Amino acid sequence: NAGVTQTPKFRVLKTGQSMTLLCAQDMNHEYMYWYRQDPGMGLRLIHYSVGEGTTAKGEVPDGYNVSRLKKQNFLLGLESAAPSQTSVYFCASIRTGGGNEQFFGPGTRLTVL
Amino acid sequence: AQSVAQPEDQVNVAEGNPLTVKCTYSVSGNPYLFWYVQYPNRGLQFLLKYITGDNLVKGSYGFEAEFNKSQTSFHLKKPSALVSDSALYFCAVRDILNTNAGKSTFGDGTTLTVKP
Repeated sequence: NAGVTQTPKFRVLKTGQSMTLLCAQDMNHEYMYWYRQDPGMGLRLIHYSVGEGTTAKGEVPDGYNVSRLKKQNFLLGLESAAPSQTSVYFCASIRTGGGNEQFFGPGTRLTVL
Repeated sequence: AQSVAQPEDQVNVAEGNPLTVKCTYSVSGNPYLFWYVQYPNRGLQFLLKYITGDNLVKGSYGFEAEFNKSQTSFHLKKPSALVSDSALYFCAVRDILNTNAGKSTFGDGTTLTVKP
């Protein structure tokens, strides 16, 4: 099993450009999450999904959109990138709620100039 | 609402000494508690969790954590630190009354440095 994978690993954008980050999991997990990690701020939840075709806003959703057309994939989109979106983005998945732990991808380092 | 605090940004210990990384939490109901570790340029890896039962839980790489309900704490411990334990550690909480989306709240992280 590959677990949780993220594409790309690194990306540099100019302000106003758009891009999509792809997260894929092969564990048949129901729930998936997108976080951003900034120094001294821990992990902040951007959007999440509790199943195919469903998405919901997290703590910091502004400037981002998501889609979950297939159970194994969770896409994070930036329509018009801003320097404030410079961060490391992590995807995670979990079988269901309850006491299950999350499985994380390796991260995408995004720089917006 | 659920929240978690890691009061120390940095913990420094000498190799072979015991280590403790502190975590306190706040939930409306009862908590599910987790510790994760992040090595440089990597994603978070699960270390251990408290769900119910014995207050002392054991996890990967010789780590353990003690759940203390009266002090609302879940400190991570290891009897003898290794240089390879140097990493960023995150505590996370999930309220048992609000688990339907599996959302956890993470602390800001504690950087552990173990010196030879």
